[in-house]
Amino acid sequence: ETGVTQSPTHLIKTRGQQVTLRCSSQSGHNTVSWYQQALGQGPQFIFQYYREEENGRGNFPPRFSGLQFPNYSSELNVNALELDDSALYLCASSFAGNTEAFFGQGTRLTVV
Amino acid sequence: GENVEQHPSTLSVQEGDSAVIKCTYSDSASNYFPWYKQELGKGPQLIIDIRSNVGEKKDQRIAVTLNKTAKHFSLHITETQPEDSAVYFCAASTSNAGGTSYGKLTFGQGTILTVHP
Repeated sequence: ETGVTQSPTHLIKTRGQQVTLRCSSQSGHNTVSWYQQALGQGPQFIFQYYREEENGRGNFPPRFSGLQFPNYSSELNVNALELDDSALYLCASSFAGNTEAFFGQGTRLTVV
Repeated sequence: GENVEQHPSTLSVQEGDSAVIKCTYSDSASNYFPWYKQELGKGPQLIIDIRSNVGEKKDQRIAVTLNKTAKHFSLHITETQPEDSAVYFCAASTSNAGGTSYGKLTFGQGTILTVHP
């Protein structure tokens, strides 16, 4: 158990819809990073939030956006869903200055 | 940006044998190299990591080696057990002044390890 929890665990959405995924970081961690993991692939970095601001983004379009709240929990929002957005979405929490990043169990998103 | 290549993509061993997974990275500025184990239906679990100022690190049956000159690092699992069967990922990141970039990981493609009883 890493102490990082994500909700929901599974989600089915229709192409064109919008989705919000949630992540509760491990106690004491102030940094949350989001990753997309397609089937059979390694996780791909989407973006990171630190002190409620985006702190780096990977190669993902603006329709992927996020928030971090004062309690360090975070949301990932995806607009105008496409079939290729079907993946496992992972969040990882860490404490700035420390190396270890701990992952949640992920949210399996299916776009039909 | 950073690119991490991981080999082999699948590895099958007998219980008790050793398993070795290798990764190469492209960005010489990368200085943190964790390894994750991912079981079916779960998120990646950190199993061991190494920083660039260290050449080798060991934790019981698991060890990691790093060759900064050649830009490659390897995971060694000795005395494998069936419960070691999982997908293993290597990753790399580069520290920044605030230390937040450790969470910005570039992953390899993964190795499916199967340990046969």
